[in-house]
Amino acid sequence: GQNIDQPTEMTATEGAIVQINCTYQTSGFNGLFWYQQHAGEAPTFLSYNVLDGLEEKGRFSSFLSRSKGYSYLLLKELQMKDSASYLCAAGTYKYIFGTGTRLKVLA
Amino acid sequence: DADVTQTPRNRITKTGKRIMLECSQTKGHDRMYWYRQDPGLGLRLIYYSFDVKDINKGEISDGYSVSRQAQAKFSLSLESAIPNQTALYFCATSDGPSGDNQPQHFGDGTRLSIL
Repeated sequence: GQNIDQPTEMTATEGAIVQINCTYQTSGFNGLFWYQQHAGEAPTFLSYNVLDGLEEKGRFSSFLSRSKGYSYLLLKELQMKDSASYLCAAGTYKYIFGTGTRLKVLA
Repeated sequence: DADVTQTPRNRITKTGKRIMLECSQTKGHDRMYWYRQDPGLGLRLIYYSFDVKDINKGEISDGYSVSRQAQAKFSLSLESAIPNQTALYFCATSDGPSGDNQPQHFGDGTRLSIL
C-alpha cells in the first residue's frame, strides 16, 4: 500500500536547528515535496527532491534517500514564525501527503 | 490578486443540500486538484484534472463530483451534503506537461460545515 509517516508534533527553541523526518512507501516515485502550512492557511511549497542527497535553500534544507524511502527537512536558525505544520508529499503525478508535523518554536 | 482563488471561503449549510465550491486560477496551469483536510488525516485527494477534457477520481471521490469548465476553472460539488463532509477544502494547481515534478499551488481554502 501507499503510506507516508511523519512525527505528529515537535518542539524546538528559537535559534536552534530541527530535523523533521518523513518515511514513505508509494507505488511510484517521481519526487518528494515539503510544504509549510500555518494554522488555517494554505500549504506553501518549501522544497523538492528527486535525486538522493541534500538540497539547500537558505535556512531550509531537504534530504532524500530513495533506497531507504526516507527524507528529512532541516530548519536552521529557527524563528517564531517557523511555528507551523510541515507536510511531506511523495508519489508520481498524484502525490500522497503525510498528516504533517506540527512544529512549535519556543522563545 | 491571488493566483488560485476559491469561493466561498466559508460556508455553513444543512444536511441534504447541494453545494458547489469553485476554484479559478490565473497561473495558466493545466493541472488542477481538489483536496479535503481533516484534523489528524492530512490532505486527501478527491478529484484531479490534467486538462479540460480529463477528470480523474482521487482516493475519496464518493459523494463528490467535479466539473472542469475551462482551463482556469475547476468546481467541486456535493450533491447531497452529509455532516462527515465537514472539512477544510483546498483547490490546487500545478504546471504540465512536466507537472509530475512541479509543486502544487494551493488556494486559501473553503471551510465547509454541514449541520
